[in-house]
Amino acid sequence: GAGVSQSPSNKVTEKGKDVELRCDPISGHTALYWYRQSLGQGLEFLIYFQGNSAPDKSGLPSDRFSAERTGGSVSTLTIQRTQQEDSAVYLCASSRTSGGSSYNEQFFGPGTRLTVL
Amino acid sequence: AQSVSQHNHHVILSEAASLELGCNYSYGGTVNLFWYVQYPGQHLQLLLKYFSGDPLVKGIKGFEAEFIKSKFSFNLRKPSVQWSDTAEYFCAVNDPNDYKLSFGAGTTVTVRA
Repeated sequence: GAGVSQSPSNKVTEKGKDVELRCDPISGHTALYWYRQSLGQGLEFLIYFQGNSAPDKSGLPSDRFSAERTGGSVSTLTIQRTQQEDSAVYLCASSRTSGGSSYNEQFFGPGTRLTVL
Repeated sequence: AQSVSQHNHHVILSEAASLELGCNYSYGGTVNLFWYVQYPGQHLQLLLKYFSGDPLVKGIKGFEAEFIKSKFSFNLRKPSVQWSDTAEYFCAVNDPNDYKLSFGAGTTVTVRA
């Protein structure tokens, strides 16, 4: 596609429910990133994929958070047993590749606004 | 790990005024530096970036930023703002050997017509 897309754009859920957030990166981009933006704060790194593998999961805030990527394309971020502090905008980004001496620009999607009641 | 601080939370100014947004980072090594902008209802997009070379970087829409290594700063400037520059601006840093971006908290800029 022309850009990174995310779905749903908005998600309201009840505390304790599980949610799945989806990201479709730009076609051909091998690197994919998830960030979280909480109210009044900058973007917080969550996890990074190179292809289908996630070499860095250090940003995931708890074991309730998990992510996968299949076919080197679509990624799903799953939050189990949601809590009110999970409310935030979840942003996905992709880049042609990652690291190295030549930085590959990260292109961001529109985000999913998650509200946990 | 890097940390990024943006000095202003909210800036309000009139059209044609000059804009300068401060950004400081804490990291002793070589860094890549970025400014991203998010216009109302739109995606986060890259305004400009610095990897190496001339510390004065020019970006889109008349923005520029200056990297001052001794001050660990990468301030964003625009000589004359327009109403359409109303947006949230984020400074970001990464280690060239790393991939993840560390972002500042953002500065909301409101330009009054």
